[in-house]
Amino acid sequence: EPEVTQTPSHQVTQMGQEVILRCVPISNHLYFYWYRQILGQKVEFLVSFYNNEISEKSEIFDDQFSVERPDGSNFTLKIRSTKLEDSAMYFCASRRTGSSYNSPLHFGNGTRLTVT
Amino acid sequence: DQQVKQNSPSLSVQEGRISILNCDYTNSMFDYFLWYKKYPAEGPTFLISISSIKDKNEDGRFTVFLNKSAKHLSLHIVPSQPGDSAGYFCAAVPTGTASKLTFGTGTRLQVTL
Repeated sequence: EPEVTQTPSHQVTQMGQEVILRCVPISNHLYFYWYRQILGQKVEFLVSFYNNEISEKSEIFDDQFSVERPDGSNFTLKIRSTKLEDSAMYFCASRRTGSSYNSPLHFGNGTRLTVT
Repeated sequence: DQQVKQNSPSLSVQEGRISILNCDYTNSMFDYFLWYKKYPAEGPTFLISISSIKDKNEDGRFTVFLNKSAKHLSLHIVPSQPGDSAGYFCAAVPTGTASKLTFGTGTRLQVTL
């Protein structure tokens, strides 16, 4: 069964550094998402992306965050200047259509980001 | 932001018995609900969903019940198996915003032998 793949599985970075988290969504999916889960808390929506542009973003997704689909297969999340509170598990997800009603979200296994 | 709440952080059930996981929501704009299963160090995996026009949806051992007036849904697993031991997260989607899932905090289910 096709799956969403994320690299790296664990990223350690120093505060203030830039970090790029990478994802390869399922190949025939058109809608892409980033969610995150801070340890002990719930999974939170960050951003959705379709047709090479952001379709929705949360208040967490401020100017320090950006997303890009640099080619036909990769989908990246960049954090320009990491803060301690950015430490979390970041999940990439994709779906075939834009609606949950007939196209459940498929998640990758996540990248654990640790900011020191 | 407590729009979707799972008040039981953990649940222990004997193998073969029924597991009932509960979820409450406050936003009346939610009209589609999903349950995801999650193992540690893995991403959430879709389990089952229900639209607000229904009150029950069944898929094998998994049944989701929706009580709109009480803003409550539950996931029933019967019979429970040791492989069901995982985190279970309910999620909700508001009308007109099909893309964004709002998750609950999860319930960790332990199925004992």
